Amino acid sequence: AQSVTQLDSQVPVFEEAPVELRCNYSSSVSVYLFWYVQYPNQGLQLLLKYLSGSTLVKGINGFEAEFNKSQTSFHLRKPSVHISDTAEYFCAVSETQKLVFGKGTKLTVNP
Amino acid sequence: GAGVSQSPRYKVAKRGQDVALRCDPISGHVSLFWYQQALGQGPEFLTYFQNEAQLDKSGLPSDRFFAERPEGSVSTLKIQRTQQEDSAVYLCASSLLVLTQETQYFGPGTRLLVL
Repeated sequence: AQSVTQLDSQVPVFEEAPVELRCNYSSSVSVYLFWYVQYPNQGLQLLLKYLSGSTLVKGINGFEAEFNKSQTSFHLRKPSVHISDTAEYFCAVSETQKLVFGKGTKLTVNP
Repeated sequence: GAGVSQSPRYKVAKRGQDVALRCDPISGHVSLFWYQQALGQGPEFLTYFQNEAQLDKSGLPSDRFFAERPEGSVSTLKIQRTQQEDSAVYLCASSLLVLTQETQYFGPGTRLLVL
């Protein structure tokens, strides 16, 4: 079975600083990888996904992620964060039809 | 409203009560998923429908959990004889097709508290 590890449960940063949220996955087959964001009391919203092709994937709200097959990683980055980016971020891998999620990283952006 | 909707948004149940959670997927979406999200955890898969057929129920934690989608649109997740460990947010998601790489669109969830 596939699994996802998000290495940091909480990441505090200052506004306009860069941020990287780390994600590693385990899989023996080709994978599809996703990053979702969850704002308080809301459902999950897709930020970006990797299916194939270019390993650098650009998503909404200025986020991007890089797929690294040799390191089985899919880290999420943003060069300059805003207060409004405060939320919980989930990395997921697609296994057959279902998504397998990591435990999430709570990003807090401070003024 | 073009998104996935769920009702009720909040549900408080006494231990032993039965509850029913409703999901209205995006119109025309073939696939429908239920996930359970415990406090401080990521969502965990419960079950999957393709139209009205329940193709995977491997994530249902016990036989107290039952899901249906009789007409291939609205789905109901029923929990019988609720226990305190059932307290969680129940998320519904839908996707247009049945492909593994399809984006799943999530509803806001139903927060269930069992006392």
